[in-house]
Amino acid sequence: KQEVTQIPAALSVPEGENLVLNCSFTDSAIYNLQWFRQDPGKGLTSLLLIQSSQREQTSGRLNASLDKSSGRSTLYIAASQPGDSATYLCAVPNSGGSNYKLTFGKGTLLTVNP
Amino acid sequence: GAVVSQHPSRVICKSGTSVKIECRSLDFQATTMFWYRQFPKKSLMLMATSNEGSKATYEQGVEKDKFLINHASLTLSTLTVTSAHPEDSSFYICSAKTLTDTQYFGPGTRLTVL
Repeated sequence: KQEVTQIPAALSVPEGENLVLNCSFTDSAIYNLQWFRQDPGKGLTSLLLIQSSQREQTSGRLNASLDKSSGRSTLYIAASQPGDSATYLCAVPNSGGSNYKLTFGKGTLLTVNP
Repeated sequence: GAVVSQHPSRVICKSGTSVKIECRSLDFQATTMFWYRQFPKKSLMLMATSNEGSKATYEQGVEKDKFLINHASLTLSTLTVTSAHPEDSSFYICSAKTLTDTQYFGPGTRLTVL
């Protein structure tokens, strides 16, 4: 059974700092890996999706890397802003096609202080 | 990007009543939708997979007679919490999967059972 762990559980940084969020998964035979953002009381917004054949994906100030063999992914946020404050979740699917299901980590609660 | 809506966003009901939550994909057809439950400061737990035109597939430990799922069209899935009790109070989130296995999430429904 796939297990996803995110470290740290919470992180507080001053504005402008670069930071890294970590995600690890126990079964390295993943189809892809996705990073989401969740604001309090809201749904999820997809940030980045990395296919299993890719090493990283970038979107603006966000960069996600994937190391399948070691079962790890990182989300790098450059020049953090107070608006980045949210919970960041990573998730991996068990397989593709009709059996596609996502397993989520518990998330990292990020607070960026102005 | 694709949009998924949920209705209602918030509902308060008395113990013993039933509550229906709708999940709609607004600009794409989704043969598969997923229902998740999220407790405070916890990650999303998959409850069931909803396939258009067929019976939903429930995760282990989820009572199918209590959480009725109907996916009658390619853009609508409903979750009905029957005979709700206070322990059913939670944040329910749906997602809809595209043909490329990308999941788009709804904004969530906060259910409070008194």
